[in-house]
Amino acid sequence: DQQVKQNSPSLSVQEGRISILNCDYTNSMFDYFLWYKKYPAEGPTFLISISSIKDKNEDGRFTVFLNKSAKHLSLHIVPSQPGDSAVYFCAASGYGGATNKLIFGTGTLLAVQP
Amino acid sequence: DAGITQSPRHKVTETGTPVTLRCHQTENHRYMYWYRQDPGHGLRLIHYSYGVKDTDKGEVSDGYSVSRSKTEDFLLTLESATSSQTSVYFCAISESTDLYANTGELFFGEGSRLTVL
Repeated sequence: DQQVKQNSPSLSVQEGRISILNCDYTNSMFDYFLWYKKYPAEGPTFLISISSIKDKNEDGRFTVFLNKSAKHLSLHIVPSQPGDSAVYFCAASGYGGATNKLIFGTGTLLAVQP
Repeated sequence: DAGITQSPRHKVTETGTPVTLRCHQTENHRYMYWYRQDPGHGLRLIHYSYGVKDTDKGEVSDGYSVSRSKTEDFLLTLESATSSQTSVYFCAISESTDLYANTGELFFGEGSRLTVL
């Protein structure tokens, strides 16, 4: 049972345009959501997060939006750059105690075309 | 740089053999994790540790055991490797020191690619 879902395995965007990556979750007990970025042959790196008490968090070109009623979050990258090409994982935490256990989605491969 | 080293980085082994992956951290953090990454499944938590000799199971713990005898080392053992355990294994640490400061931000190692023939 996938508690965190990324239904788009891949996304292709032109350089300079907006990239929108989507994530859905099923467990209403999640109270923190994160996005990680992963390049080939490297470990995932933290990108941006949002607490469930907020609906938006912005960091430079990256903005995460949270819609709790729809159990949906999205990552916006504006403007997209070729260096943003990577796999993006959505993750959620906060259930089952306070041990920083993250549940990850399956990932979306973003390709930014020059 | 979170100071995480995984070894070995690549390993090929045969079904039925034992395998141990090592995660070493230089930052003295309390929380350490082992994840595996597989196509179509993303990253799944195998085991985690919240202190020396304190470990617990994650989502996909069957066939795996862990040990943490020192703060800096977290070992993942496959007692008898199977082909379904072919995967990329990632160790991660959390800088959290407060049990209830649950931001979920983890720092990952570079991964260990294991192939079981």
